[in-house]
Amino acid sequence: GAVVSQHPSRVICKSGTSVKIECRSLDFQATTMFWYRQFPKQSLMLMATSNEGSKATYEQGVEKDKFLINHASLTLSTLTVTSAHPEDSSFYICSATQFGGAGYNEQFFGPGTRLTVL
Amino acid sequence: DAKTTQPPSMDCAEGRAANLPCNHSTISGNEYVYWYRQIHSQGPQYIIHGLKNNETNEMASLIITEDRKSSTLILPHATLRDTAVYYCIVRLLYNFNKFYFGSGTKLNVKP
Repeated sequence: GAVVSQHPSRVICKSGTSVKIECRSLDFQATTMFWYRQFPKQSLMLMATSNEGSKATYEQGVEKDKFLINHASLTLSTLTVTSAHPEDSSFYICSATQFGGAGYNEQFFGPGTRLTVL
Repeated sequence: DAKTTQPPSMDCAEGRAANLPCNHSTISGNEYVYWYRQIHSQGPQYIIHGLKNNETNEMASLIITEDRKSSTLILPHATLRDTAVYYCIVRLLYNFNKFYFGSGTKLNVKP
């Protein structure tokens, strides 16, 4: 199946700093990528939808100025957590939808990025 | 998208079939049922999806009731590696492919 990677897999940062997480579709073109957040022992929460070349759309309650999303190409989307605080510590997961073809019905998920803000 | 209800946890003996139920009583005619699973601290993995017919692939079978208000995911011969949280998701096709995850079922496969 299609492969989605995330980098870094783990990051620890100080409060007030910004952290960038990359999401890449390795062997397919992704028209749409999604960002999720997952707190311990909870389900995944959809944060935003990212379409190549256009502004991301955010789910209700998600601060767009805090979670900056850029989808510059059909294989790369980035999530920047600005001025991170301890409450932003979470597991961030991206997914991608394959452009055209039989895989259009599926979302392919990355392995996730564990963010810890001290 | 319609909401789903799943039991929070289930146990299954290794080698036996695991039957995971999902209730989606408000599903509409053009909504699909998807199943994903998440092994601890990893990204979700696609298992199977269907509209109204039963589906089978190399991982599992999906049984959807005739009224489409519920479905069952069947893992025919569960192994310890199948221990995970299983999510049943209902969504419109082409709704930008958005998935809204419910709370899922933690399947514990025991030796």
